[in-house]
Amino acid sequence: GAGVSQSPRYKVTKRGQDVALRCDPISGHVSLYWYRQALGQGPEFLTYFNYEAQQDKSGLPNDRFSAERPEGSISTLTIQRTEQRDSAMYRCASSLNTGGTNTEAFFGQGTRLTVV
Amino acid sequence: EDQVTQSPEALRLQEGESSSLNCSYTVSGLRGLFWYRQDPGKGPEFLFTLYSAGEEKEKERLKATLTKKESFLHITAPKPEDSATYLCAVQARGGFKTIFGAGTRLFVKA
Repeated sequence: GAGVSQSPRYKVTKRGQDVALRCDPISGHVSLYWYRQALGQGPEFLTYFNYEAQQDKSGLPNDRFSAERPEGSISTLTIQRTEQRDSAMYRCASSLNTGGTNTEAFFGQGTRLTVV
Repeated sequence: EDQVTQSPEALRLQEGESSSLNCSYTVSGLRGLFWYRQDPGKGPEFLFTLYSAGEEKEKERLKATLTKKESFLHITAPKPEDSATYLCAVQARGGFKTIFGAGTRLFVKA
């Protein structure tokens, strides 16, 4: 595709429900990052994939958060038993080369999650 | 602990009034320092990567410089369309985590 695509753009869910956020990176991009961004703050790192391998998940807040990228392309971030504090903008970014080579990362428009 | 601090939090300039944004960082071995621009309601847009002290990069009215402790984003003769939040981020060697600062909100008035 032309850019990084995230869906849904907006998600409202009730506390305790599970949600799945999808990221479709730019075709051919090896690296994929998930971030969470609060209003007025910079993105906060959650996890990193190199192809299908999750190489860094140190930023996931707790075990309710998980992510996968089974075929090395589309990725899903899943939040189980959502809580109000999970409300935020969730952003995905992809880059052509691996994280060790520092190339330009392209960000998606994000998914605005609201837990009520 | 790896950390990024940006100053000022907000900066108001008149069109044509040059200035600099600061990014102070502490990291256990720098792999790269990044600058991004973010417009309201949009994702960050990549501007520059700097790898080592002394390196400089330019793009239109923007120039980024790097020392061992900080980076500056110099804006020469800014225009209203340069108004945005500018984010600085670092990545440490041996890992993939990218740490962002809170950003500097730049307002340029015509």
